[in-house]
Amino acid sequence: KQEVTQIPAALSVPEGENLVLNCSFTDSAIYNLQWFRQDPGKGLTSLLLIQSSQREQTSGRLNASLDKSSGRSTLYIAASQPGDSATYLCAVRRRQGAQKLVFGQGTRLTINP
Amino acid sequence: EADIYQTPRYLVIGTGKKITLECSQTMGHDKMYWYQQDPGMELHLIHYSYGVNSTEKGDLSSESTVSRIRTEHFPLTLESARPSHTSQYLCASSAGTSGSLYEQYFGPGTRLTVT
Repeated sequence: KQEVTQIPAALSVPEGENLVLNCSFTDSAIYNLQWFRQDPGKGLTSLLLIQSSQREQTSGRLNASLDKSSGRSTLYIAASQPGDSATYLCAVRRRQGAQKLVFGQGTRLTINP
Repeated sequence: EADIYQTPRYLVIGTGKKITLECSQTMGHDKMYWYQQDPGMELHLIHYSYGVNSTEKGDLSSESTVSRIRTEHFPLTLESARPSHTSQYLCASSAGTSGSLYEQYFGPGTRLTVT
């Protein structure tokens, strides 16, 4: 059974810092991995989707890497801003069959001005 | 930005009431999903649909039911709400083809409180 873990559960950093959020999964047989952002009381916004055959994806100040063999992904946020404060979730999609996502618990990020 | 809508956004009801949470998408997606999320916890899939007249139970057992009569509409119903149903319910959809990478788009969620 696939399990997804995100560490740390919460992170607070000063504005302007570069930071890394971690995601690990137990079954390396994934189709792809998706990073989401969730603001309090809101739905999820997709940030990056990285295929199992890819090593990384970039969008603006965000960079996601994937090491499938070790079951790890990282989300790198450059030059953090207060508007980046949110909960960041990673989710993996199985290789075969249904396109169901398995989510981690998320990392609650606070950027202090 | 994805076009997926949920109503109501917030709902407070008494125990024993029947409720329906609405979810609609205008993207023509075949696949639709319902997730349940308790505060500070991960999302758990409770129902999904591959298309019209197709519904399946998800990984987390739920007393709710769903229907898929139209492509764009995937309502979730609780016949008799209980305090244990208090949670946030998130609807999602995906194109469901390998070319789309099965990327899921989420609605804003419905926060349900049962008193």
